[in-house]
Amino acid sequence: NAGVTQTPKFQVLKTGQSMTLQCAQDMNHNSMYWYRQDPGMGLRLIYYSASEGTTDKGEVPNGYNVSRLNKREFSLRLESAAPSQTSVYFCASRSGGGASPSYNEQFFGPGTRLTVL
Amino acid sequence: ELKVEQNPLFLSMQEGKNYTIYCNYSTTSDRLYWYRQDPGKSLESLFVLLSNGAVKQEGRLMASLDTKARLSTLHITAAVHDLSATYFCASTSGTYKYIFGTGTRLKVLA
Repeated sequence: NAGVTQTPKFQVLKTGQSMTLQCAQDMNHNSMYWYRQDPGMGLRLIYYSASEGTTDKGEVPNGYNVSRLNKREFSLRLESAAPSQTSVYFCASRSGGGASPSYNEQFFGPGTRLTVL
Repeated sequence: ELKVEQNPLFLSMQEGKNYTIYCNYSTTSDRLYWYRQDPGKSLESLFVLLSNGAVKQEGRLMASLDTKARLSTLHITAAVHDLSATYFCASTSGTYKYIFGTGTRLKVLA
């Protein structure tokens, strides 16, 4: 079980370039999330997908798009990168429903460190 | 709109001492989550608190939830260096949206 995986681990972009961050989970979870983490600001939700085929905006969606490709994969795209998008990006997944003690617990990937020059 | 506030933001404490991290949230929620993050690493789930009065303990860490006061605490007992990390609490707005606090950076001094 790899859990939640993210690629790439590191990326440097120039302003205006585009790129897609990939995320996959092998835990058969329904919900998936994208967060960004900036120093002193905790994690902020960019987009989430409650289940396959649905996506919704979080706190800071501007400048990003997402695709829930299938149940396993959830990608984040930066169409025209800006220096303000320099951050660490975390993907997470969550099981849905049930009386398990881990109900609604999120599991995080290792992160992608993105620098936009 | 749900807001989650933690305090203190920074905490430097001596080994062997006790201390408490506080997490306040602004709207009604019956779930609260605590995570740990080591420098340069991802987040690791510590506790999931699912109801009013819930208390969970793991080693030197104990978390509790008071939904009426909209307050969760993470109590550290007899701190050791290995507990040095950043601790985050998070609550949920609706079923799927998680809002995180800004984190408490804990440094335990020998």
